[in-house]
Amino acid sequence: DQQVKQNSPSLSVQEGRISILNCDYTNSMFDYFLWYKKYPAEGPTFLISISSIKDKNEDGRFTVFLNKSAKHLSLHIVPSQPGDSAVYFCAASAASGTYKYIFGTGTRLKVLA
Amino acid sequence: EAGVAQSPRYKIIEKRQSVAFWCNPISGHATLYWYQQILGQGPKLLIQFQNNGVVDDSQLPKDRFSAERLKGVDSTLKIQPAKLEDSAVYLCASSLRVTQLLAKTAQFFGPGTRLTVL
Repeated sequence: DQQVKQNSPSLSVQEGRISILNCDYTNSMFDYFLWYKKYPAEGPTFLISISSIKDKNEDGRFTVFLNKSAKHLSLHIVPSQPGDSAVYFCAASAASGTYKYIFGTGTRLKVLA
Repeated sequence: EAGVAQSPRYKIIEKRQSVAFWCNPISGHATLYWYQQILGQGPKLLIQFQNNGVVDDSQLPKDRFSAERLKGVDSTLKIQPAKLEDSAVYLCASSLRVTQLLAKTAQFFGPGTRLTVL
């Protein structure tokens, strides 16, 4: 059972435009969400996070939106740059238990110059 | 600040052989994680340590995988004997202590070890 889903395996965007990456989850106990970026042959790098008490968190060009009722979060990158080309993973953890993170399958973003 | 260190970066072995991976977390990080990432999938947690105690090993195939974190710092993950389906990238990550009373923090990942089992 995939509790965290990224239904778009890939996305191509023109440089300077907005990139929107989506993530859906099924477990209503999840209360903390993160986005990671991964380049080839490197480990994932933490990008931005959001707690369930918020619906938006912004850090420079990156904004994460959380819609708890829809169990959906999205990552917006504005403006997109060629260096943003990578695989993006969303991850979620629950408010109790071991606080382990469940990762989605990733979306490969390609920003075209 | 030094990041999470892992070695080796690459390993090729034959099935039924054994292999070990090493991880040194960020200094001061009490929580250490080992993940398995199969091609095309997201990282899957194998085991989570809090200091030198195991917090979660529910997805660790204990008949062939083992892990330890002596003295609450470095950790090793071992596979014995390896199977073809163990081919994956093994990622180590660390974070500050995560408890109900502390704000959650992100995990910081090492570069991973790519294992190929022939």
